[in-house]
Amino acid sequence: DGGITQSPKYLFRKEGQNVTLSCEQNLNHDAMYWYRQDPGQGLRLIYYSQIVNDFQKGDIAEGYSVSREKKESFPLTVTSAQKNPTAFYLCASSRDRGGRYTFGSGTRLTVV
Amino acid sequence: DAKTTQPNSMESNEEEPVHLPCNHSTISGTDYIHWYRQLPSQGPEYVIHGLTSNVNNRMASLAIAEDRKSSTLILHRATLRDAAVYYCILLNGGSNYKLTFGKGTLLTVNP
Repeated sequence: DGGITQSPKYLFRKEGQNVTLSCEQNLNHDAMYWYRQDPGQGLRLIYYSQIVNDFQKGDIAEGYSVSREKKESFPLTVTSAQKNPTAFYLCASSRDRGGRYTFGSGTRLTVV
Repeated sequence: DAKTTQPNSMESNEEEPVHLPCNHSTISGTDYIHWYRQLPSQGPEYVIHGLTSNVNNRMASLAIAEDRKSSTLILHRATLRDAAVYYCILLNGGSNYKLTFGKGTLLTVNP
């Protein structure tokens, strides 16, 4: 079955270290997204990419970086510049404008 | 981005219909109405979406007001597995792909 795979499910890092979250999709979707969710809150958009080798900042891009070298992959790096990195991170993809999104199962990042 | 307004929480009984309202008075002509739901510690799950006409699928129905300023997600027979946070979101199909999430409605289903 097609879908989005996020790995790992849980991730622990020390403060000051960069960490990269993986997101892979086999849905042949052009657009991919990264969202962050804090406890009791809705999702906030970090970065999105509508096509390979192109991406745009979302609402809370500071302290994060992304790349889109392949259609299937959209990794997110949480840098040491991100002040409050502990959160639940969700990756999503969509085929076209207005269409449905498919979400991954998320990565819970804890920075200690 | 156009905003949506949903009740913070709703309660239902198992096997009864549930009507989840959403107001979107500033909706534009190219905005799609999307509904997603999320269980704790899981990614959101697509439920249904529509533009102007009412929509039905195996999970739910979406009733869209004639002026498109409000919509209602209908779960025909609630089950315990339907307990989740339900998000009503407008997606501008004309200019970008971005889904902007609010806080949603927490649906509790009583056995």
